[in-house]
Amino acid sequence: GAVVSQHPSRVICKSGTSVKIECRSLDFQATTMFWYRQFPKQSLMLMATSNEGSKATYEQGVEKDKFLINHASLTLSTLTVTSAHPEDSSFYICSARVGAAEQYFGPGTRLTVT
Amino acid sequence: GENVEQHPSTLSVQEGDSAVIKCTYSDSASNYFPWYKQELGKGPQLIIDIRSNVGEKKDQRIAVTLNKTAKHFSLHITETQPEDSAVYFCAASKRDDKIIFGKGTRLHILP
Repeated sequence: GAVVSQHPSRVICKSGTSVKIECRSLDFQATTMFWYRQFPKQSLMLMATSNEGSKATYEQGVEKDKFLINHASLTLSTLTVTSAHPEDSSFYICSARVGAAEQYFGPGTRLTVT
Repeated sequence: GENVEQHPSTLSVQEGDSAVIKCTYSDSASNYFPWYKQELGKGPQLIIDIRSNVGEKKDQRIAVTLNKTAKHFSLHITETQPEDSAVYFCAASKRDDKIIFGKGTRLHILP
């Protein structure tokens, strides 16, 4: 099946700093990638849809200036959490769409803001 | 917009028995229904999916059924094993649209 990687798998940062998370499709090209966050024992919450070469589409309530998304190539999308605060601590997961519907997920990135 | 309801939230079954998880969706235009398995600390893994032109699909011990009229779809796991313990998410989407997830079912396989 299609493989999606994320880096880093875990990151700890201090409050006020920025953190970048990378999402790569390893064996296919993805024109559309998605970014989710997941709190403990909850479902995945879609943050934004990222299309290669264009601006990301953010879900209602997600601050676009805080969560910067760049989809510079067909195999790489990045999420930058700017001026991170403890409440941004979460599990961030990306996915890449294959064809019209199937999505394959990365392994996730655990962000802890101290 | 689409809304996906999933039941039960927690399910415990004896090893070797079957497990059934049920979902309903609200948007009759949805035509793609994937199921994901998520283990602790990992990303969701696509385990099976079904499209609206098919009523049932099976892959070894896993099967999914779809009732378009009632807007119901279900995941069936037979001969459950300890490694089946995880959180399972159903989802629904339309072509080229985002996937809407259910709230998840925590499946415990009891020895």
